[in-house]
Amino acid sequence: QKEVEQNSGPLSVPEGAIASLNCTYSDRGSQSFFWYRQYSGKSPELIMSIYSNGDKEDGRFTAQLNKASQYVSLLIRDSQPSDSATYLCASRGSSASKIIFGSGTRLSIRP
Amino acid sequence: DTAVSQTPKYLVTQMGNDKSIKCEQNLGHDTMYWYKQDSKKFLKIMFSYNNKELIINETVPNRFSPKSPDKAHLNLHINSLELGDSAVYFCASSQGTYNSPLHFGNGTRLTVT
Repeated sequence: QKEVEQNSGPLSVPEGAIASLNCTYSDRGSQSFFWYRQYSGKSPELIMSIYSNGDKEDGRFTAQLNKASQYVSLLIRDSQPSDSATYLCASRGSSASKIIFGSGTRLSIRP
Repeated sequence: DTAVSQTPKYLVTQMGNDKSIKCEQNLGHDTMYWYKQDSKKFLKIMFSYNNKELIINETVPNRFSPKSPDKAHLNLHINSLELGDSAVYFCASSQGTYNSPLHFGNGTRLTVT
């Protein structure tokens, strides 16, 4: 079992709609979770961090964490073509020094 | 005023050669990492150093040897390069606290022919 799992996609969403990206993790000791966006040929850039159960909003982005279900999600409201990228879910596990990534979900926003 | 910088950006070399990648961060972080991203975009941790001390060494061939002369620098030396080493190598840094995210360098695309 992979430590952090994501659906690889591609996920195709019409412009202006809500994109929903999901992630599950296996280490119950994981304390913090991150969403990164990666454009082709570029390095990952941090979008959101979340540490507590519930929702965290930042502009058009909302991260959701449910530790009981070991589930993290990212919602992108009013999707724009510039949101087309690969989204990487990551968790910092019970060994605080290690951040593990999922395999990423390719998101495509169609005009 | 780049936060995490790594050089070179591209590296093309032949099988059997030895090469190095350098990384420097000016964020004052105490932990640095090397990640490998394969052609399927999967980011896999290789090594982590905290204040110059190796704290994570994943299942990586002995041909890969990291070195951290100080907490702002982390280099990666690769001996006897193989075709399967072709990938993008990312350096990253963070504080060693549970809520600290990674800050990535721009990556080094290594192509072994």
